[in-house]
Amino acid sequence: TQLLEQSPQFLSIQEGENLTVYCNSSSVFSSLQWYRQEPGEGPVLLVTVVTGGEVKKLKRLTFQFGDARKDSSLHITAAQPGDTGLYLCAGDSKADRGSTLGRLYFGRGTQLTVWP
Amino acid sequence: EAQVTQNPRYLITVTGKKLTVTCSQNMNHEYMSWYRQDPGLGLRQIYYSMNVEVTDKGDVPEGYKVSRKEKRNFPLILESPSPNQTSLYFCASSPGAGKYGYTFGSGTRLTVV
Repeated sequence: TQLLEQSPQFLSIQEGENLTVYCNSSSVFSSLQWYRQEPGEGPVLLVTVVTGGEVKKLKRLTFQFGDARKDSSLHITAAQPGDTGLYLCAGDSKADRGSTLGRLYFGRGTQLTVWP
Repeated sequence: EAQVTQNPRYLITVTGKKLTVTCSQNMNHEYMSWYRQDPGLGLRQIYYSMNVEVTDKGDVPEGYKVSRKEKRNFPLILESPSPNQTSLYFCASSPGAGKYGYTFGSGTRLTVV
């Protein structure tokens, strides 16, 4: 059973379109992180959200942490071919039903392809 | 340059032959961890270390050992590798667990035949 469910699994869009990726869980986390991974390389951290309801912006990317700290979303405005990649969400250290400080749980990822 | 360095990048070995994958970070991070990535299963945590001489199991620790004798190094040891340990392995580090985010290495692609 996957602790973090990401959707959609695949997303193929045209340049200029907007998109949203979702990351949902029934567990509460100390923080949620978003990473981007290129084939054969390690994930690269995009953002960490810590406070329930927090919204962070990174150029055309907007990240939101749910009020209950169980879910998050990534919204990309006017996608570009350079945004193509695997986007991963990760929940850091469950904070309910006993702390699991140090444990990092990944979703299975969203493979985004942006066509010119 | 701040980084996590893994070696080797690629490794092909035979069943049962002990091997070590090294991981080193130059950021004075307290926290380090190991993951494996498999198609359809995503990234799963193997072991993690909150500090020197402190290690704990992740989701899939069976068949692996780790040690944290110094802050910068966190080697992953496979005492008797088996084909089901064929995978892409990543090491990561962080100033601490819970809120900082992690810096990942470039990965080690291991094939056990």
